[in-house]
Amino acid sequence: DQQVKQNSPSLSVQEGRISILNCDYTNSMFDYFLWYKKYPAEGPTFLISISSIKDKNEDGRFTVFLNKSAKHLSLHIVPSQPGDSAVYFCAASNQGAQKLVFGQGTRLTINP
Amino acid sequence: DTAVSQTPKYLVTQMGNDKSIKCEQNLGHDTMYWYKQDSKKFLKIMFSYNNKELIINETVPNRFSPKSPDKAHLNLHINSLELGDSAVYFCASSQLGQGNIQYFGAGTRLSVL
Repeated sequence: DQQVKQNSPSLSVQEGRISILNCDYTNSMFDYFLWYKKYPAEGPTFLISISSIKDKNEDGRFTVFLNKSAKHLSLHIVPSQPGDSAVYFCAASNQGAQKLVFGQGTRLTINP
Repeated sequence: DTAVSQTPKYLVTQMGNDKSIKCEQNLGHDTMYWYKQDSKKFLKIMFSYNNKELIINETVPNRFSPKSPDKAHLNLHINSLELGDSAVYFCASSQLGQGNIQYFGAGTRLSVL
């Protein structure tokens, strides 16, 4: 049973526009959520995170929104740049558990 | 200087062989992990060690045996390799008390023929 789901395998966005990546989770015990970015032949790189006590966290061009009642989070990238083209993974954890549960990733392509 | 490094990057071997993947982190973290990314691209945790002690052991065949000689190293030994073991294996590390932010190595692509 997949507890973290990214239902869009791919997304294509024009350079300069907003990219919105979505993630849903089923386990109400999750209290910490992360986004990772992955380039080919590299490991996932931490991008931004949010605790369940917040509903928004912003870092430069990246903003993560959390809707606990809907068990949904999203990552907004604005403006999108060609270097943002990568696979984005959503991950969730229970802070006491120390392990991350990942979604299957969304491949983002930024078109010039 | 690479923070989490894995060797080898690629590993091609025959069914039935035994192989090891090494992982080292120079971040001073106290917790290390092994993840497996299968053909469907899911990243799933296999093991977690904290200060050389096994903390997490997911449902993994006992052909997989992690070994942590010290808190900066976590190696993965696989016995009697099977076709289904073909995957990319990622090592990661984190520090207790700094959330669950984990730092990943570049991965080892294992192909079992």
